[in-house]
Amino acid sequence: DIQMTQSPSSLSASVGDRVTITCRASQDIYNYLNWYQQKPGKAPNLLIFATYNLQSGVPSRFSGTESGTDFTLIISSVQPEDFATYYCQQSYITPITFGQGTRLEIK
Amino acid sequence: EVQLVDSGGGLVQPGRSLRLSCIASGFVFDDYAMHWVRQAPGKGLEWVSSISWNSGNIGYGDSVKGRFTISRDNGKNSLYLQMNSLKSDDTAFYYCVKDNGYDILPGGNWFDLWGQGTLVTVSS
Repeated sequence: DIQMTQSPSSLSASVGDRVTITCRASQDIYNYLNWYQQKPGKAPNLLIFATYNLQSGVPSRFSGTESGTDFTLIISSVQPEDFATYYCQQSYITPITFGQGTRLEIK
Repeated sequence: EVQLVDSGGGLVQPGRSLRLSCIASGFVFDDYAMHWVRQAPGKGLEWVSSISWNSGNIGYGDSVKGRFTISRDNGKNSLYLQMNSLKSDDTAFYYCVKDNGYDILPGGNWFDLWGQGTLVTVSS
């Protein structure tokens, strides 16, 4: 199985900060990497698909990059509604696997 | 409105069975592959099972293989998960999820619509 390792597991930020969350795949996944946001008590919501592509309706302050097997979610200027847990997911091969999550908290 | 509505969760004893259902609306259900994803309380996301648009391709996670069965009825816009021989480790919120495409072959899939989740608690 492909292991997805997210870092950090949690972080604190202030409104307006630039935030980066990293996800490392245990093998090459050819940009088949997606990001989801989950707020407490709610289902996850797709943010970015195939590494770079913003899902419809997602603010442009969210973006995704990659370098080899390292993938990064960037929030350019964190807003109050962005405080949530973020998950990466590889869909290159089954079993589909998720990172363990990164909890973004208000500083 | 485009939505998925999960149902069928509840409290069940270890070793017993439960069937989850999901009703889709607002999109052409039989154009898309579907999945079940679960999340134990306070934990991360775990892929459970997938089914292609015509039920021709099906996949399961190792932790549920041989115990769970995914199915769909395109005429009823419905997805199901039959869960047998339930264990305490199966306690979780179960989400019905829509794929962006019609098949579950690896590569290029993402989950673009989620149900609200239904809680399954396995306990004596």
